[in-house]
Order: sequence, then C-alpha cells, then structure tokens
Amino acid sequence: DAKTTQPPSMDCAEGRAANLPCNHSTISGNEYVYWYRQIHSQGPQYIIHGLKNNETNEMASLIITEDRKSSTLILPHATLRDTAVYYCIVRVWAAGNKLTFGGGTRVLVKP
Amino acid sequence: SAVISQKPSRDICQRGTSLTIQCQVDSQVTMMFWYRQQPGQSLTLIATANQGSEATYESGFVIDKFPISRPNLTFSTLTVSNMSPEDSSIYLCSVVEEGGQPQHFGDGTRLSIL
Repeated sequence: DAKTTQPPSMDCAEGRAANLPCNHSTISGNEYVYWYRQIHSQGPQYIIHGLKNNETNEMASLIITEDRKSSTLILPHATLRDTAVYYCIVRVWAAGNKLTFGGGTRVLVKP
Repeated sequence: SAVISQKPSRDICQRGTSLTIQCQVDSQVTMMFWYRQQPGQSLTLIATANQGSEATYESGFVIDKFPISRPNLTFSTLTVSNMSPEDSSIYLCSVVEEGGQPQHFGDGTRLSIL
C-alpha cells in the first residue's frame, strides 16, 4: 500500500470548515483513499473513501486532485466533537481489506 | 453498520498471566481483524481471524503469543499470553461486512500489565 503524509496536528475554529490535507504521491491506479478518525477512548470511525472522483456524505467531503497524488478531507462545519486524530490511508480495494495506519493528524477544534 | 462489542472494555493483569478478549458482532461478517494500539501510537494489525482455520498473522506477531479463534461469522477471541508490561495496549477488533466494504471498529480493550 502507498505511504501517506499528513501534518501531525492542526487547530480549527468551531463552526468553520476544517480542511485536512494528505499527500500520497506514490499512489497506484487501483488504490483508494480512505479516511478514518479516532476520538479519544474510542475505536477508529470510518468517514469516507474515494478513487478519483470527489465524494461527499453526511460527515464530510473528499477532494482528490486530478493526478491523485494528494487529497483533502473537508469537515464543512467543525464542532467540538470533531476533535480527534484523523487518518488518511490508501489501499487497493478488497486487497485482504488490511488497513495500514500512519501517524494521522491530531485535530483540535477550538471554540 | 454492524454493532461490535468487545469484552472486557479494560483490565489490569499481572505479568505472566493470560487474558482472552472477546469480539461479538450483531450480524454475520465476512472478515474480522485484531489490531494493537500501544500508548501514544497508531494502530498496528496483529492478524486476520479466519473462520474455522488458523489466523493469518502479520510480521512480528506469532500464534503462541496471540492465539486467535473464530468459530463462526459473528464471534472471535484474541488471547494475550504470558503478558509483560510491554503488552500494555489497547486491543481492537474490526470487521468487514462484505468484501471490499470499509472496516468498522469496536471501541477496544484497554489492557494494563503490572
């Protein structure tokens, strides 16, 4: 699976959009981008995934660049409950379904 | 998505003892996994629990230390054997309901070894 690079931490203002970047410059054509988050004392929570098109669900939007070498997770209106570690993971669809977690981005939403 | 229950949620154990962690899912799932999260670290995959056969272990993890069972499509156990303080971690179960679908995680078992 391709390696990802994320900033170790970032602060966001409550009520504003939070834009979380992820670099995956070595991504292969058959690898998807997945985002999970882990709120303190809980297991990781699936957020969204995509291949090359932008995706949106009730939690977030995923913007993938045309060359697929980077992506951005957007939380449209950050709340204090969005404070968590966010993990960007790339892997081949159904390749044993294994997930390789990197260090993630520790996001602190401030009032 | 499937509801995943892990027991116990936390425990404090003496070194040299063993503890079995249970993972129960409220619906049949195709795949089950066990992860470890050491203090302040990210998650590391221990093994894939295979129904009716031996688990598939990742590099650095062995069956003698982390025996795993999966007797059916809704239940799995992970045993942490002959525990030492280095085994103090959160152990998490995850499942895939259908092939290719995202994994979903339980809230983990927080284990401390004295």
